[in-house]
Amino acid sequence: AQKITQTQPGMFVQEKEAVTLDCTYDTSDQSYGLFWYKQPSSGEMIFLIYQGSYDEQNATEGRYSLNFQKARKSANLVISASQLGDSAMYFCAMRDQSGGYQKVTFGTGTKLQVIP
Amino acid sequence: DAGVIQSPRHEVTEMGQEVTLRCKPISGHDYLFWYRQTMMRGLELLIYFNNNVPIDDSGMPEDRFSAKMPNASFSTLKIQPSEPRDSAVYFCASSLDVNEQFFGPGTRLTVL
Repeated sequence: AQKITQTQPGMFVQEKEAVTLDCTYDTSDQSYGLFWYKQPSSGEMIFLIYQGSYDEQNATEGRYSLNFQKARKSANLVISASQLGDSAMYFCAMRDQSGGYQKVTFGTGTKLQVIP
Repeated sequence: DAGVIQSPRHEVTEMGQEVTLRCKPISGHDYLFWYRQTMMRGLELLIYFNNNVPIDDSGMPEDRFSAKMPNASFSTLKIQPSEPRDSAVYFCASSLDVNEQFFGPGTRLTVL
């Protein structure tokens, strides 16, 4: 089974609207971490947000929040008030105990396009 | 800080040639990672180092690939001989905190 699943290859959102990008994960570890990265067309990978498996509250960073539902093994990214600059690929990733806890596995990504 | 620095940014070479990609991590970071990104396989971890020591190289595709980290401020990823299927974007990343990895701008490799 894939460790990280992003089922939305592409999404559109109207500028100023909120959008949710889906991510489900698979691990048997109790301790793990979940990440979201943004990759604009220029190619760089930009860290957005992190959620630890023991964190009780959902992580937030500015307009980004991570909707962490542990029982469902989902870690959806919510972007509020979308901006044209949010158009990019978004990758969900997980670090768990396999690979020495520093090894991060990435999903296949979701391409988000913000429409003016 | 200048961030993670990679060179070259673009590399075009012919099949059979040796290719060397370089990375300078953020000063003070003790973890360094090499990733490869392709359309077919997405973003894959090739190898990572801790304090200059390779920890997990299970992602290195085959013996044609090798990586070194002679000191805390420099790492190389070498492909010898290169093949067209090695064409990809290669990222280097470094971290101090397990909760965040900082990526370099990537090297776009094209093997003809």
